[in-house]
Amino acid sequence: QKEVEQDPGPLSVPEGAIVSLNCTYSNSAFQYFMWYRQYSRKGPELLMYTYSSGNKEDGRFTAQVDKSSKYISLFIRDSQPSDSATYLCAIPGGGADGLTFGKGTHLIIQP
Amino acid sequence: DVKVTQSSRYLVKRTGEKVFLECVQDMDHENMFWYRQDPGLGLRLIYFSYDVKMKEKGDIPEGYSVSREKKERFSLILESASTNQTSMYLCASSPSGSSYNSPLHFGNGTRLTVT
Repeated sequence: QKEVEQDPGPLSVPEGAIVSLNCTYSNSAFQYFMWYRQYSRKGPELLMYTYSSGNKEDGRFTAQVDKSSKYISLFIRDSQPSDSATYLCAIPGGGADGLTFGKGTHLIIQP
Repeated sequence: DVKVTQSSRYLVKRTGEKVFLECVQDMDHENMFWYRQDPGLGLRLIYFSYDVKMKEKGDIPEGYSVSREKKERFSLILESASTNQTSMYLCASSPSGSSYNSPLHFGNGTRLTVT
């Protein structure tokens, strides 16, 4: 069983919609959860990280962790065409370098 | 801002050639990483280094080697390039410490095509 599962998409939504991006993980020992954003022809960049369960908000972005379900989510409010990118969840703990990435979800915001 | 620079955006090489991919970071980070990114497979770690002259195998090291002679530079070497090594290669760096409080800073990648 893969340690981190993420639907690759593509996920296409109209501008202004609320977007929900999700990952599931298998190792209940994971404590920290990260989201990276990758624009086309660029490297990934850290968007948000959160610890344990609960929500963390940063502007239009909210990261949510449900440890009981081993489920993490990234919500984007009032989505913009500039949010079009691939979003990767990443979890420290597991993998040779201690960081396990999901495969990424390709998000398209239609103007 | 941290800058991770990869020397080439695009490379085309022939099967059997020895290929060098170079990466330089300007923030005095201890940790450096090489990943490859393929559609449907995501990011996979090839090699990483926690210090000068140190290297550790990642999840897919076969067919690759690395060199870290200076703290700021981490090179990925394809000893004899093969077509299945056609991919996007991403270099990253991070400061020392656990991965949860030392986020990775990525370069913009080198797209390598082996013909």
